[in-house]
Amino acid sequence: AQKVTQAQTEISVVEKEDVTLDCVYETRDTTYYLFWYKQPPSGELVFLIRRNSFDEQNEISGRYSWNFQKSTSSFNFTITASQVVDSAVYFCALSELGTNAGKSTFGDGTTLTVKP
Amino acid sequence: GAGVSQSPRYKVAKRGQDVALRCDPISGHVSLFWYQQALGQGPEFLTYFQNEAQLDKSGLPSDRFFAERPEGSVSTLKIQRTQQEDSAVYLCASSSGRPMNTEAFFGQGTRLTVV
Repeated sequence: AQKVTQAQTEISVVEKEDVTLDCVYETRDTTYYLFWYKQPPSGELVFLIRRNSFDEQNEISGRYSWNFQKSTSSFNFTITASQVVDSAVYFCALSELGTNAGKSTFGDGTTLTVKP
Repeated sequence: GAGVSQSPRYKVAKRGQDVALRCDPISGHVSLFWYQQALGQGPEFLTYFQNEAQLDKSGLPSDRFFAERPEGSVSTLKIQRTQQEDSAVYLCASSSGRPMNTEAFFGQGTRLTVV
């Protein structure tokens, strides 16, 4: 069975602070994909990043960066110099290949509030 | 339209009523997914289509839930004899390639409230 745990239910920071959202996953598969999505109040899930299990390189995109550590089954997301517009619910998700292809398991999300 | 469109955005149903939720995926996207998102939780997979073929329906919670995509484009999720535990946001997503290995685009969801 696959599982995604986002232990932080809510995080509140002041604008310009850096913030890291944690994601820990469990899977028996050796090949899998990890994702981060942002869900603003409007409701749609906005894709942020996809990472496959063979690529442990950290990635940076503007103020966003991701740290994938296969040894600890973690895929953490850092926002540098947070802004009010970053306020949203962030979801980490896992997709296995093979018989479960097409299915993604989501964590329960972390609600990030960035105060001015 | 440019994105995934779901209708209606909000639906209130009396317990026992049947409902139908519609998803218009991005044109040309072959993969389509339905998810159920309860309040305060992450989306949970319901079912997946590749064109008109329903390849995985293991997430459908009961035989009251039925999904179809007869022409490989628009999809409908039908819930029969709704119950209060069916209250949730139902999200639809589509992608152009292999399932969830490429970017998936989500609609804004249909919020279903069963009273």
